[in-house]
Amino acid sequence: GDSVTQMEGPVTLSEEAFLTINCTYTATGYPSLFWYVQYPGEGLQLLLKATKADDKGSNKGFEATYRKETTSFHLEKGSVQVSDSAVYFCALPERNTGNQFYFGTGTSLTVIP
Amino acid sequence: NAGVTQTPKFRILKIGQSMTLQCTQDMNHNYMYWYRQDPGMGLKLIYYSVGAGITDKGEVPNGYNVSRSTTEDFPLRLELAAPSQTSVYFCASSYGPPSYNEQFFGPGTRLTVL
Repeated sequence: GDSVTQMEGPVTLSEEAFLTINCTYTATGYPSLFWYVQYPGEGLQLLLKATKADDKGSNKGFEATYRKETTSFHLEKGSVQVSDSAVYFCALPERNTGNQFYFGTGTSLTVIP
Repeated sequence: NAGVTQTPKFRILKIGQSMTLQCTQDMNHNYMYWYRQDPGMGLKLIYYSVGAGITDKGEVPNGYNVSRSTTEDFPLRLELAAPSQTSVYFCASSYGPPSYNEQFFGPGTRLTVL
């Protein structure tokens, strides 16, 4: 069935370092792809999305490009800040109705000053 | 707008007890969801609703029940609590299908079953 696989964490970076969090997907066709973020003690919130192949989603300095050749949607940021410390989830909608989401296991990021 | 609110924030139950997790949204969203989040496992969908009076099972519905009598409210019922139901529960809502509409999440309920 459809699924997403994320790189395992936790990830610890120094402030201003470059961030990559890998996400690959298995799906029939070309579903929309999403990154959600969960800050400490909060619920998830949408970070960015891409609705078709070769699209790039971006928000708050984060970017992810939908690459159908490698079935990937890696999250990147050029210079992380302490405030980016959170858990990041890759996700895609269920194929038939689109009413359900499959979330990855999450990647915890800690940015140290 | 308060967004999505959940009560309680924390709860400890004994095995076999029952409880209802409350969820309310004030955004007039049609779709509502209940997820559970277990450490290292990501989020799993328990139940969802596409409108008042309509509910459907997600990936992990066993041991839970839901109802949707109004657009605003989507309570989750645990009838006979078991240790396997120890988790963090998130309610979410969206205006339309999540593949095209952002999901808005509540702050979560941390449930421990002993």
